[in-house]
Amino acid sequence: DAGVTQSPTHLIKTRGQQVTLRCSPKSGHDTVSWYQQALGQGPQFIFQYYEEEERQRGNFPDRFSGHQFPNYSSELNVNALLLGDSALYLCASSSPLAGGPRSGGELFFGEGSRLTVL
Amino acid sequence: GNSVTQMEGPVTLSEEAFLTINCTYTATGYPSLFWYVQYPGEGLQLLLKATKADDKGSNKGFEATYRKETTSFHLEKGSVQVSDSAVYFCALSAASGTYKYIFGTGTRLKVLA
Repeated sequence: DAGVTQSPTHLIKTRGQQVTLRCSPKSGHDTVSWYQQALGQGPQFIFQYYEEEERQRGNFPDRFSGHQFPNYSSELNVNALLLGDSALYLCASSSPLAGGPRSGGELFFGEGSRLTVL
Repeated sequence: GNSVTQMEGPVTLSEEAFLTINCTYTATGYPSLFWYVQYPGEGLQLLLKATKADDKGSNKGFEATYRKETTSFHLEKGSVQVSDSAVYFCALSAASGTYKYIFGTGTRLKVLA
């Protein structure tokens, strides 16, 4: 049973460029959350997708956008990249059967996409 | 708002030493509490969790007890191994009003043989 898979694993961009990161959730999971983990910091919530809609958003600018597809996979897009966007971007999925947020359910994380902005 | 505070690292221990990593939280109501571990080059994986006061989560020799009175969820292990070297994150999931998890800044543990 494949867990959460993310692509690409590493990428380098320059300021002003745009990037798209992809995530496939664990089998049976329908909810996808994206987190940004800066070096030496804990993950910060970007947004969560459920039923192909953004259900909740963290304190990130509109340059960060996302999408969820009918097969539950998801994309994170970042426009007009800044040096400060350099980070590990983590995708996490959860299952309504296991509870999910608000009921103690577990988040399953992918290995992340490490973005470097030069 | 909700927040998590955990002790800063790095923590360096000899093999078989006792480990404690402190974690305190601020939240309304009764959040669920978690410890996640991140091994080098990997994503986060759940180590243990507790969903109500006085619950004890345990896994792989690690334990943590949900203390509502002290708003704490300290991680302990009686005898650490070199393979426990990783970064440990305390996190909470609020009982209502939000779907996001809030993570602490992480504590790096290095165990020496």
